[in-house]
Amino acid sequence: QKEVEQNSGPLSVPEGAIASLNCTYSDRGSQSFFWYRQYSGKSPELIMFIYSNGDKEDGRFTAQLNKASQYVSLLIRDSQPSDSATYLCAAHPTGGSSNTGKLIFGQGTTLQVKP
Amino acid sequence: EAQVTQNPRYLITVTGKKLTVTCSQNMNHEYMSWYRQDPGLGLRQIYYSMNVEVTDKGDVPEGYKVSRKEKRNFPLILESPSPNQTSLYFCASSLHSGSRGNTEAFFGQGTRLTVV
Repeated sequence: QKEVEQNSGPLSVPEGAIASLNCTYSDRGSQSFFWYRQYSGKSPELIMFIYSNGDKEDGRFTAQLNKASQYVSLLIRDSQPSDSATYLCAAHPTGGSSNTGKLIFGQGTTLQVKP
Repeated sequence: EAQVTQNPRYLITVTGKKLTVTCSQNMNHEYMSWYRQDPGLGLRQIYYSMNVEVTDKGDVPEGYKVSRKEKRNFPLILESPSPNQTSLYFCASSLHSGSRGNTEAFFGQGTRLTVV
């Protein structure tokens, strides 16, 4: 079973701090990884994707990928109360699903940013 | 505006009464899928479709049917709903290609289904 694992949290950080969200995946051949933000009762929305080892920055968000350790993370700098949401990590698996759009999702980490 | 549209947003029904949740996308995406989301279980794929007339089971297909007669539409059918199908449902679409980066899934607004 190809899995994506996340700590469900909640992760609580003060406003202005850096929030660090982590994700591990079991399919070593996975190539693309996605971070989605989901507000309660709403649909997931894409924040970032990454497919190369290293860091990828977009505004206050930085995605980090370490394929050797099968580890993906999302850093949110200068966290704001509006960042409070559930963050879903997703991986595009290999094998039979590699030529489809299928994504494997983690359970999500709930982030709480306290004013 | 690029979007995935689901209807209805909320639905309460009784056990055994057939229902259909519609999903339509305007991005000409080949790949569409249905997920259900339950507390503690995350997003689980029900069915997916790689193109018109091409559908296959996801991880939790029991009790569901789908069809893909047109590229833009991918309805989810519950022939005989049961209480364990009470959940939040999302339709999603994406480009078919497995190339890096463009398997981003665009989600519909969600359908909260309650079966009593």
